[in-house]
Amino acid sequence: SQWGEENLQALSIQEGEDVTMNCSYKTYTTVVHWYRQDSGRGPALIILIRSNEREKRSGRLRATLDTSSQSSSLSITAAQCEDTAVYFCATAPSSFSKLVFGQGTSLSVVP
Amino acid sequence: DMKVTQMPRYLIKRMGENVLLECGQDMSHETMYWYRQDPGLGLQLIYISYDVDSNSEGDIPKGYRVSRKKREHFSLILDSAKTNQTSVYFCAAGTGVAEQFFGPGTRLTVL
Repeated sequence: SQWGEENLQALSIQEGEDVTMNCSYKTYTTVVHWYRQDSGRGPALIILIRSNEREKRSGRLRATLDTSSQSSSLSITAAQCEDTAVYFCATAPSSFSKLVFGQGTSLSVVP
Repeated sequence: DMKVTQMPRYLIKRMGENVLLECGQDMSHETMYWYRQDPGLGLQLIYISYDVDSNSEGDIPKGYRVSRKKREHFSLILDSAKTNQTSVYFCAAGTGVAEQFFGPGTRLTVL
């Protein structure tokens, strides 16, 4: 398996809190994708971080990548109810188009 | 707006029947994918198509076959469906290890 520690989690937080989701992987990757999947819909890319980057920001989202520990994290600042979704990380063990998806973290943000 | 479409969105079949799932894209991406998603297992890659009539098995190809006769269309075929093929199926389009664009999914139930 590409994955190290269990990546599937279910988190419940209150609106306004910060949250961090983690992803660890076993083999080299050129890039880490973070996808968000809303209920009943397909995944959609929210952040892509390359192996030569340590951090990437997009609005309230922040992704980090530590290639030495083979881990990545996704943080959401001041979470809102509309952030409720399943968040997946995906890695690319080779450069030929194939992504390997983790099991995902189910995030619930309650008022 | 870049778009991946899937038809049908919901399908109920009896064991042993044939199933055809269709996917279309309007982005002219060379590479297209079929995944299945089951609870707790994330997205599992069934087949990759690198272009017309250039298809490769993914991680779980058994029981499935694909057809790509035009760049914008990619079909997934289940010959004699089995109950363990009940799942949600996603089609995606993309290039290399860049973003993959997902369709809305097809929920298949095999009775």
